[in-house]
Amino acid sequence: AQSVTQPDIHITVSEGASLELRCNYSYGATPYLFWYVQSPGQGLQLLLKYFSGDTLVQGIKGFEAEFKRSQSSFNLRKPSVHWSDAAEYFCAVGGDDKIIFGKGTRLHILP
Amino acid sequence: NAGVTQTPKFQVLKTGQSMTLQCAQDMNHEYMSWYRQDPGMGLRLIHYSVGAGITDQGEVPNGYNVSRSTTEDFPLRLLSAAPSQTSVYFCASSYSGMGGYTFGSGTRLTVV
Repeated sequence: AQSVTQPDIHITVSEGASLELRCNYSYGATPYLFWYVQSPGQGLQLLLKYFSGDTLVQGIKGFEAEFKRSQSSFNLRKPSVHWSDAAEYFCAVGGDDKIIFGKGTRLHILP
Repeated sequence: NAGVTQTPKFQVLKTGQSMTLQCAQDMNHEYMSWYRQDPGMGLRLIHYSVGAGITDQGEVPNGYNVSRSTTEDFPLRLLSAAPSQTSVYFCASSYSGMGGYTFGSGTRLTVV
């Protein structure tokens, strides 16, 4: 069965500090993997995706993620966060027919 | 190109009432899905479709029906609303799974 685990419900980092959000998944085959971001009261925006090839993928807004098959992980990183990065981040996994989401990690930024 | 359009944006229902949440996309996407979002629960898949005439259940299908008579439209029906169905509902579509899904702006539903 498919599942996605985001172990951290909340994360707080200082502006300018580096960020890593964790995501572990369970899936029967090589999955498609995604990170989405949701600002308060808004819809979801795709940050980046992985489906094959280079395991380090670059996304929008300076984010990147690394697919590690041996660890069933797809962690999201950013070298230096900005106050505007405060939002909720969702990891998702799936195939052609559907994707399912983790419960999300809310990112707080300290000035 | 409007993307994924959901109507209404807000709705209040009384327990036992029925209603249909509308979802339409103009991108000729075959894959469409409905999710509900509740605090602390992330997005949970209700139903999904891989093309006109084909639908399947997701993680939390009870109390909801769907149909897909055209590529463009994927309505979600609540047959007898319950307070537990108070949530924000998102519709999403995709050309192919690897491309990621485009989301609508959501419908906030309150059942009293």
